[in-house]
Amino acid sequence: DAGVIQSPRHEVTEMGQEVTLRCKPISGHDYLFWYRQTMMRGLELLIYFNNNVPIDDSGMPEDRFSAKMPNASFSTLKIQPSEPRDSAVYFCASRGNSDEQYFGPGTRLTVT
Amino acid sequence: SQQGEEDPQALSIQEGENATMNCSYKTSINNLQWYRQNSGRGLVHLILIRSNEREKHSGRLRVTLDTSKKSSSLLITASRAADTASYFCATEGGGADGLTFGKGTHLIIQP
Repeated sequence: DAGVIQSPRHEVTEMGQEVTLRCKPISGHDYLFWYRQTMMRGLELLIYFNNNVPIDDSGMPEDRFSAKMPNASFSTLKIQPSEPRDSAVYFCASRGNSDEQYFGPGTRLTVT
Repeated sequence: SQQGEEDPQALSIQEGENATMNCSYKTSINNLQWYRQNSGRGLVHLILIRSNEREKHSGRLRVTLDTSKKSSSLLITASRAADTASYFCATEGGGADGLTFGKGTHLIIQP
């Protein structure tokens, strides 16, 4: 099993640019979560999906953030336009029948 | 928002000693989980304890849960250099499936 796959692993972009982060969950898992980690705020839940349907997006900071899950094997988190304060590590995690979540390696985003 | 608060924030011990980390939370939970994060890596699930359980073991790990005090502890026995990492508690509850994480304890095992 390849685990949760995220791409890119690192992204450096200029303020105002659109950023798209990608995630492939573990096959058979029906929950997918997006988290953000910063030094100041720690790990925060942004949004999660169940069976490709967004369930709770209350953690999405602003309308500049959007997430989609067009099918069971792919999700995107988009930031448009990006700002320096969006710099963080973004993690995707998936979950199956157990309550244990499996995390991807993360995408380190730097917005200059 | 942060629910769990770990203490200490940092812990440095000698290899072979036991390490204890504590976590407090604020609201009712379904379960509490502990994760490990090595520098620059993703999180790895260590152990889960449900709200109706008081203690759980997994290898060198022992977790306790006191729902009356809204607190949990993670004990790592016979620590090894490879245990050096950040450890996070995370709670699930309130009808939501997402995890609410604490700020973590950074554990350093001195060889």
